[in-house]
Amino acid sequence: AQSVTQLGSHVSVSEGALVLLRCNYSSSVPPYLFWYVQYPNQGLQLLLKYTTGATLVKGINGFEAEFKKSETSFHLTKPSAHMSDAAEYFCAVSPAGYSTLTFGKGTMLLVSP
Amino acid sequence: NAGVMQNPRHLVRRRGQEARLRCSPMKGHSHVYWYRQLPEEGLKFMVYLQKENIIDESGMPKERFSAEFPKEGPSILRIQQVVRGDSAAYFCASSRGQEHNEQFFGPGTRLTVL
Repeated sequence: AQSVTQLGSHVSVSEGALVLLRCNYSSSVPPYLFWYVQYPNQGLQLLLKYTTGATLVKGINGFEAEFKKSETSFHLTKPSAHMSDAAEYFCAVSPAGYSTLTFGKGTMLLVSP
Repeated sequence: NAGVMQNPRHLVRRRGQEARLRCSPMKGHSHVYWYRQLPEEGLKFMVYLQKENIIDESGMPKERFSAEFPKEGPSILRIQQVVRGDSAAYFCASSRGQEHNEQFFGPGTRLTVL
């Protein structure tokens, strides 16, 4: 079984500040890990994913995430926030080689000028 | 190169009516997934289908809900005798295959039950 915990339902940052969105997972088998972004009234868009190989994964829009097996974490970061980054972010896990995703409850990122 | 299409985008039903949600996967994708998003909750997996087959329905409520993905045409999520608790956003995603884990999501259908 898999589960995902996202710490903080809301995170507020100033424009230009570091963005850090936390994700911890639980999985009984090697996981695949994902971050998705959802803008209001839209579907989810894949930001980045970890399957195998390099543990630091770079995604779109300047985001990156690091898979840390010892900490069962997959935190999402961006060095400098833009106003356009304001959205809801979801971390998800699936068993390696299988498709079904288990999502966290999401973190709303608020960016202030 | 159209993405995943869902219709209708908004659906209003009265208690006891039926709701039919449609999903057309991306071209070349033969795997479809349905998720439900309740207010203040993340997406919850409901069902995973391939053409004419249900692969995993472990997230589907035991009663009133059904899904199909026929050989021709879109995937359909059907909710019979809707209740207020069915009000949610329903998202469809598609992928090329099980080995290709990237799922592409549609814009969702927002169901409101009066």
